[in-house]
Amino acid sequence: EVQLVQSGAEVKKPGESLKISCKGSGYSFSSYWIGWVRQMPGKGLEWMGIIFPGDSDTTKYSPSFQGQVTISADKSISTAYLQWSSLKASDTAMYYCARRWGFIAPADYWGQGTLVTVSS
Amino acid sequence: EIVMTQSPATLSVSPGERATLSCRASQSVTSNLAWYQQKPGQAPRLLIYGASNRATGIPARFSGSGSGTEFTLTISSLQSEDFAVYYCQQYNNWPPNTFGPGTKVDIK
Repeated sequence: EVQLVQSGAEVKKPGESLKISCKGSGYSFSSYWIGWVRQMPGKGLEWMGIIFPGDSDTTKYSPSFQGQVTISADKSISTAYLQWSSLKASDTAMYYCARRWGFIAPADYWGQGTLVTVSS
Repeated sequence: EIVMTQSPATLSVSPGERATLSCRASQSVTSNLAWYQQKPGQAPRLLIYGASNRATGIPARFSGSGSGTEFTLTISSLQSEDFAVYYCQQYNNWPPNTFGPGTKVDIK
């Protein structure tokens, strides 16, 4: 059974750093793309970026998120990451990881989501 | 960036009725269009990919059609578990792969 299990909810202060994770199981982690999707409170879905764990140099960002976050993966432990170096209140959102079978492909499996709250 | 629009924003339907949701792209995305269902407090779930292919385990009452810039999701006979928000998403062009704003299907 394919599963993506994300790390737990986080409460942080503005300016703090954060790294959240997404662990894949039940499939060949290195052979599928993993992406991150943001959903701000009461709002829609936004692709942030995607990575191919089989070649972690292959990472692509949406323009709105380029330079704001870093996406990485460790194929040895089947885990993808999303990190911030300096959080802002506007980063408060639910973050989902999602698997894609190709670069031009939909997201067929999703993690349960990680709620990030940034507040002073 | 390709802009996706969805109509209507809210659709009120009685159980057992048919629901038709529309999605439009600002330029052609060929057939690289997916539909997702999201219920409150849950992650999105893939329903349709390639504009008209049902994802694994999706009931036959869900169907998709269209290509280019105009797409439709049809739910032939709404069940209680189908009341949710539905998003279309193009994956033909990156960056980025854009979602529509969603259509909320609620109980009439």
